[in-house]
Formats: sequence, structure tokens, C-alpha cells
Amino acid sequence: DTGVSQDPRHKITKRGQNVTFRCDPISEHNRLYWYRQTLGQGPEFLTYFQNEAQLEKSRLLSDRFSAERPKGSFSTLEIQRTEQGDSAMYLCASSRDRAYQETQYFGPGTRLLVL
Amino acid sequence: AQKITQTQPGMFVQEKEAVTLDCTYDTSDQSYGLFWYKQPSSGEMIFLIYQGSYDEQNATEGRYSLNFQKARKSANLVISASQLGDSAMYFCAMREGYLKAAGNKLTFGGGTRVLVKP
Repeated sequence: DTGVSQDPRHKITKRGQNVTFRCDPISEHNRLYWYRQTLGQGPEFLTYFQNEAQLEKSRLLSDRFSAERPKGSFSTLEIQRTEQGDSAMYLCASSRDRAYQETQYFGPGTRLLVL
Repeated sequence: AQKITQTQPGMFVQEKEAVTLDCTYDTSDQSYGLFWYKQPSSGEMIFLIYQGSYDEQNATEGRYSLNFQKARKSANLVISASQLGDSAMYFCAMREGYLKAAGNKLTFGGGTRVLVKP
């Protein structure tokens, strides 16, 4: 059973550049989540998809952030005009819709450093 | 108010001993789930254990058990027979309102760092 994968694992970019991260969920999982984790903190929710529909977005997801899941499989998270405050770990998780007992399984994350 | 509170920023535990990690939560929902995840230095969040608000029995998974006290809104994680590989950050998380379409996100606490001493 292949777990959640994320690419790249690390990204260093200069302020003002655009970056894109990819997440491949566990194959039979129809829900996909993005979280952001800054140093010393717990992850914070960014957005969530059920199949290809984006059902919820956090206020943390500014206009510079966009996420897609075009065919209900992999997802991309793009950050435009990066700022130093975007430096964080970006975590993707997926789950199967089991209502009461839904459990999210996380990928290894993408560490972003904005210089 | 914080939805998930983990009051212990760091703990040392002797190898082979048990350790309890505290977690209190705040919600007005009747239907919610509580989770514990482990995050080693590599960064990946590893699911450990789940407790549903309607579950009458405390959850157990191998060396992990959850001490669920609903009236006190606490969901403490107990790790028995600690191993060196248990050294990591541990996060408590809650999912509220799973019956709602948008009620699926996890809210995390600030975490507790555990260091297991040989």
C-alpha cells in the first residue's frame, strides 16, 4: 500500500518567485487536505478537496495561494510572489470518506525556504 | 480560546518506562474525533490512535492507549514501554462536526517533544 507522496521534499526560492508543490494521495482516498506547519507549531489547515471539488479554504489561504485537484487524483498547491513568511513545511494528507472514523494520513511534506 | 491545548512542551522519559502526554480540547459539538500523531525529525506526521466522541471504550493500539475523559474534555496519550525510537514530537488533533460537509479539517495542538533516555 503506497502512502501519500509529495514532491519536491525541499524547495529554496527567492522572494517574489512562484513555486508549485505536488501531492499524490493514497490511491483509493477521495479526500485530500493541505496543511502548513511553521517551526515549533502544530500544522494549520489550508484547504480540502473531496474528489475534484474544493470544499473548504482557510483564511490563511491568501490570494497568492491556489490549489487544484483537476481529476480527483493528485493535487497541486501554488504560491505566487512568495514572501519570507511563506517559509514553512507544507503537508498533504488524504483520507477515505468514512464519516465518523475518517483518519487522515500524511505525506512527508515539502519544506519551503524563501530567501 | 485554544481548541487543543498541550501543556507539556517537552518531556524526558527513561527507556522502558511509560509516559503520559496531556491533551485537553474545547468544542461545543457532540460529534467529534480525537487523534494523536507522531512527528519524527524527518517531518512526516504518523497516525497513532483515534478516539471518537461516542466511543465508550478507550482506544488502544499496541503500546499506545488513549485515556479519554469526556466530561473533563481530555484525551491523554499513554505510551507504554518507551523505546528510543519514540523520541519525536507528538501532536493531539481534533476533528469537529464530521457530519457537516465542511467539518473534516483537523485542528492541532502545539505539540509535546518527547526524548527517550537509554
